[in-house]
Amino acid sequence: DAGITQSPRHKVTETGTPVTLRCHQTENHRYMYWYRQDPGHGLRLIHYSYGVKDTDKGEVSDGYSVSRSKTEDFLLTLESATSSQTSVYFCAISGSGGSSSYNEQFFGPGTRLTVL
Amino acid sequence: GESVGLHLPTLSVQEGDNSIINCAYSNSASDYFIWYKQESGKGPQFIIDIRSNMDKRQGQRVTVLLNKTVKHLSLQIAATQPGDSAVYFCAENPGNMLTFGGGTRLMVKP
Repeated sequence: DAGITQSPRHKVTETGTPVTLRCHQTENHRYMYWYRQDPGHGLRLIHYSYGVKDTDKGEVSDGYSVSRSKTEDFLLTLESATSSQTSVYFCAISGSGGSSSYNEQFFGPGTRLTVL
Repeated sequence: GESVGLHLPTLSVQEGDNSIINCAYSNSASDYFIWYKQESGKGPQFIIDIRSNMDKRQGQRVTVLLNKTVKHLSLQIAATQPGDSAVYFCAENPGNMLTFGGGTRLMVKP
């Protein structure tokens, strides 16, 4: 398995509270991604990073922010969690991407977030 | 484990039989495709990929076929085993980001 860990693995929080999810990789891959997975929607890209301090929005970025201060860590923050953000969140990494089409991505184990 | 889809298409096969899982992709500009396997409670696991300049690629017990004319991708699993039970989904790359399909649940009957 690719060296990707996510923390926490499970979290229950209340509406309006801030939440930060962490993705940590040991592969020294340049690209990192945050996805959410919901029934009926499959995997949807929230934000991605193409290097330290370089990030961009994905398909469903509203209500989320990210930061990448080190190659190995990519943080996803929900500034004020809402019930619609209840989901399973996956981090992925890729050694290539951007202008390269052949960006196979490897996924972490996921974080189940429940917002009450 | 995590629910990856409440109304996924399901393919049920007998152990030892071959399985064929299909995927229709949407963008004719896509030039790279991946099949992932996702077991309950786990993240998607890379199985096999194929570039658009190929129409077939084989791995260990798996084969991916690409038909660009009809924008169709298939994953064939030979001698299906109980451990193959999972949700399988394809991903396409029309530019710089992967787009994922909804998935098919494979159930293997002993």
